[in-house]
Amino acid sequence: AQSVTQLDSQVPVFEEAPVELRCNYSSSVSVYLFWYVQYPNQGLQLLLKYLSGSTLVKGINGFEAEFNKSQTSFHLRKPSVHISDTAEYFCAVSDYTGGFKTIFGAGTRLFVKA
Amino acid sequence: EADIYQTPRYLVIGTGKKITLECSQTMGHDKMYWYQQDPGMELHLIHYSYGVNSTEKGDLSSESTVSRIRTEHFPLTLESARPSHTSQYLCASRPSGISYEQYFGPGTRLTVT
Repeated sequence: AQSVTQLDSQVPVFEEAPVELRCNYSSSVSVYLFWYVQYPNQGLQLLLKYLSGSTLVKGINGFEAEFNKSQTSFHLRKPSVHISDTAEYFCAVSDYTGGFKTIFGAGTRLFVKA
Repeated sequence: EADIYQTPRYLVIGTGKKITLECSQTMGHDKMYWYQQDPGMELHLIHYSYGVNSTEKGDLSSESTVSRIRTEHFPLTLESARPSHTSQYLCASRPSGISYEQYFGPGTRLTVT
């Protein structure tokens, strides 16, 4: 069965510092991986996705993530964060079992300080 | 740009009332979903639909029901609201094919007193 673990519930970081939000998944088959962002009082929106091909995926707002099959990880990174990046970030996994339903992690709250 | 709408955005209602949360999308997506979201928790899938007249229960047991009479509309109904239903409800849709990402509405925050 699929599962997603986001290893940090909260990540405080100073503005212009780099950040990494960690995500590990469990699946016995090939997977599709996603990172979503949720700003206060809004729904989730897609940051980036991995379907196949290059393991380094670039997304919106300067974020990127690296798919590591051997470590079953899909960590999200940004080299320099802004105050406006303060939000909740969700890692998600989907595969062809279960009708391509998506399993979401519990979220990581990124708090960028001035 | 994704166009998926949810109404109301906020709702405070008394125990025992019947409520319907509305969700509409203008993208022609076949697949639609309802999630329940509580702080610090995973999004839990409560209902989904793969097309008109198709509805399925999700992984989280829910006392709600859904219908899918039109492609664009996927309302969720609670026949008798209880305080345990207090939560944020998110509606999402996605296209068929290989892309698989979901487009989310802004959510309905429900409080049952």
